[in-house]
Amino acid sequence: DAKTTQPPSMDCAEGRAANLPCNHSTISGNEYVYWYRQIHSQGPQYIIHGLKNNETNEMASLIITEDRKSSTLILPHATLRDTAVYYCIVRGPSSNTGKLIFGQGTTLQVKP
Amino acid sequence: KAGVTQTPRYLIKTRGQQVTLSCSPISGHRSVSWYQQTPGQGLQFLFEYFSETQRNKGNFPGRFSGRQFSNSRSEMNVSTLELGDSALYLCASSSTLQGQGIGYNSPLHFGNGTRLTVT
Repeated sequence: DAKTTQPPSMDCAEGRAANLPCNHSTISGNEYVYWYRQIHSQGPQYIIHGLKNNETNEMASLIITEDRKSSTLILPHATLRDTAVYYCIVRGPSSNTGKLIFGQGTTLQVKP
Repeated sequence: KAGVTQTPRYLIKTRGQQVTLSCSPISGHRSVSWYQQTPGQGLQFLFEYFSETQRNKGNFPGRFSGRQFSNSRSEMNVSTLELGDSALYLCASSSTLQGQGIGYNSPLHFGNGTRLTVT
């Protein structure tokens, strides 16, 4: 699986958009970009995933650059409940069975 | 649609005992995977069940076992508990088999886990 790089921490004001970047410069053509988040003492929560087109769902938007070497997760109107560790991971046909390497992720602190 | 449900939420056991954890996947999901999460090791894959058969297995000793029922509900059992088994045990379900070169475009949905403490 391609390695991902994320900033260790970010702050965001409540009500503003939170833009979380992820670099995956070694991504292969058939590998998907996934975003999960984990709030302390809870299980990881699936947010969104995509291959090459931008994706949007009720939680967030995923913007993938044309060369697919990086992506941005956008939470359009962050709330205090969005404070969590956000993980960007890449998965493809060669991914180890069920294995999800979450890495260090980005700790997003939403402030009032 | 109800999410993945894990019971119990917390467990305290003594070394040498055994424990059974339960997982109910999202309705319609046939794949159930189990993970162990610890601060030092992160998320480690235990095994995956699909249609009542174990399809994939991680590098855990035989003390860790599981099964899946016809309604896709799954249980995980740990025998002869050790202090190092203290962890958050997570169950994840998916609509497709996750391993063997497929399922990579289908997300895993996690439960909130069972926090096991071994004393």
